Amino acid sequence: QKEVEQNSGPLSVPEGAIASLNCTYSDRGSQSFFWYRQYSGKSPELIMSIYSNGDKEDGRFTAQLNKASQYVSLLIRDSQPSDSATYLCAVIGGTSGSRLTFGEGTQLTVNP
Amino acid sequence: NAGVMQNPRHLVRRRGQEARLRCSPMKGHSHVYWYRQLPEEGLKFMVYLQKENIIDESGMPKERFSAEFPKEGPSILRIQQVVRGDSAAYFCASSPRLDNEQFFGPGTRLTVL
Repeated sequence: QKEVEQNSGPLSVPEGAIASLNCTYSDRGSQSFFWYRQYSGKSPELIMSIYSNGDKEDGRFTAQLNKASQYVSLLIRDSQPSDSATYLCAVIGGTSGSRLTFGEGTQLTVNP
Repeated sequence: NAGVMQNPRHLVRRRGQEARLRCSPMKGHSHVYWYRQLPEEGLKFMVYLQKENIIDESGMPKERFSAEFPKEGPSILRIQQVVRGDSAAYFCASSPRLDNEQFFGPGTRLTVL
């Protein structure tokens, strides 16, 4: 079982729609959860962090965390073509210590 | 506040040569992490350092790879006797505190001929 799994892509949504990205993790000791965006050929850019159960909203982005289900999600409202990128789920804590453990990423395409 | 800086941005080496990758963390950040992204693969942890100390090197290959973060100057990831399989993007990230958000530099893209 992979430590961090993301829903298989690629994911394609029309402009203005809601994009939903999902992630599950295997280590119950994980404490900190992050979503990064990575454009092709670029470095990962932190877009959301979440540490406790529930929702966290920042502009068009909402992160949701459910530790009981070991599930993290990212919703992007009013998707724009500029949101087209690979989204990486990452966790810290548990047996992995303070390093980030990444999922394989979900490639999102927003069609104009 | 300048972000994480890495240099060089691109590095070409022939098999058997040495590669030195440098990383300067964000101001006020004392935790430095190195990650590697092989072509068409995910990001993988290599090593975690604080000033003058290697904290976790569990992701680093046992041979040819080493890292340091001296009291003065940038963190260095050193790859000796490079092979074609070392071709990848190497990213450095820094954090102000343990288990906190990590911010990535632009990366060094290493190509081994």
